[in-house]
Amino acid sequence: DVKVTQSSRYLVKRTGEKVFLECVQDMDHENMFWYRQDPGLGLRLIYFSYDVKMKEKGDIPEGYSVSREKKERFSLILESASTNQTSMYLCASSPGRDWGGYTFGSGTRLTVV
Amino acid sequence: SQKIEQNSEALNIQEGKTATLTCNYTNYSPAYLQWYRQDPGRGPVFLLLIRENEKEKRKERLKVTFDTTLKQSLFHITASQPADSATYLCAPLSQTGANNLFFGTGTRLTVIP
Repeated sequence: DVKVTQSSRYLVKRTGEKVFLECVQDMDHENMFWYRQDPGLGLRLIYFSYDVKMKEKGDIPEGYSVSREKKERFSLILESASTNQTSMYLCASSPGRDWGGYTFGSGTRLTVV
Repeated sequence: SQKIEQNSEALNIQEGKTATLTCNYTNYSPAYLQWYRQDPGRGPVFLLLIRENEKEKRKERLKVTFDTTLKQSLFHITASQPADSATYLCAPLSQTGANNLFFGTGTRLTVIP
């Protein structure tokens, strides 16, 4: 019954590495989102996409990029990982037209050392 | 700019009582508002959506109200159970995107047996 799958549960990377976080949804949703969640700051939107090959910056896009080559897959890329990108990363999807709730993945706990 | 305040970081109540969580938003008028539950180390799970023209929405033991004059939503859990212990997030529609949510930092509810 899993609907949004994030490729890794835990990840440890070194400073300066290029990091790929993958997210796949099987609900044929148009919208996909990447958030990071930090204690006391809540969920902050990094990037989102309303359609294939389309992307929009969220509130904190610096240091990140995204790719959406297929409808079901939305990848988050850390071009050169830094310690301040240590966080919980959450992917979500939602239907395009209806104001439905978001379906979140289980999250990826990324540690940059 | 938009701002969300959830009444407290933590709330403890006795099993069987009604838990009431508060969400206040300022500087804008969202067309709808959603509530999510989040367990430690997991992604949020969608619970309820309420539109600006709806005063109240119910789902089993959950009830949400939306007062656009007070700019406030209340989230009630009746006959609370220890299994209801979790963090609850308020998420009004963001003013910056057509289908983006703006998440509060959440209230951690503990139901004491």
